[in-house]
Amino acid sequence: AQSVTQLGSHVSVSEGALVLLRCNYSSSVPPYLFWYVQYPNQGLQLLLKYTSAATLVKGINGFEAEFKKSETSFHLTKPSAHMSDAAEYFCAVKSGGGADGLTFGKGTHLIIQP
Amino acid sequence: DAGVIQSPRHEVTEMGQEVTLRCKPISGHDYLFWYRQTMMRGLELLIYFNNNVPIDDSGMPEDRFSAKMPNASFSTLKIQPSEPRDSAVYFCASNRGQVEDEQYFGPGTRLTVT
Repeated sequence: AQSVTQLGSHVSVSEGALVLLRCNYSSSVPPYLFWYVQYPNQGLQLLLKYTSAATLVKGINGFEAEFKKSETSFHLTKPSAHMSDAAEYFCAVKSGGGADGLTFGKGTHLIIQP
Repeated sequence: DAGVIQSPRHEVTEMGQEVTLRCKPISGHDYLFWYRQTMMRGLELLIYFNNNVPIDDSGMPEDRFSAKMPNASFSTLKIQPSEPRDSAVYFCASNRGQVEDEQYFGPGTRLTVT
């Protein structure tokens, strides 16, 4: 079975500071990993995805994530936080082999301090 | 493309009533997924379809829940009878079914059962 752990249900950073949201996964086969963002009262929007092509993945809005197999991690980063980044962020995993549903982490609420 | 369409966006009903949530996937997407989001359990996969056929319904919580996909452009999730613990946001998502594909989410239906 696959699982995702997101460390920190809430993360607060100052505007302009580095954003780091942590995600660790468990999967018995090479995984496909995704980061989604959810703004209030909206659906989930894809930020980026890892599909084994490159370990450093760049996404929208200046976010990127690095796949580290040895650490089973896929942490999300952004060099400089903006007020508009305040949202809920979800890491998700899908084990290869089929079009199965995603297994999501519990989410991290990102707060941006002015 | 209009994206995944869900209706209604908000539903308030009394315990014991039947509730029907609706979803129109993106045209050309062969896979359709239903998720439920609650504070306690996060995002959970309920059921998914491939070419209108249910593939995995192991996430459906009880017999009170049922889902159908009568054609490629329409799916319903029905709860009968509804209970207060069914209160949640229900998301529909779709994709083409390639293993590396992300899922495209609708805006969700916020269900409140009183």
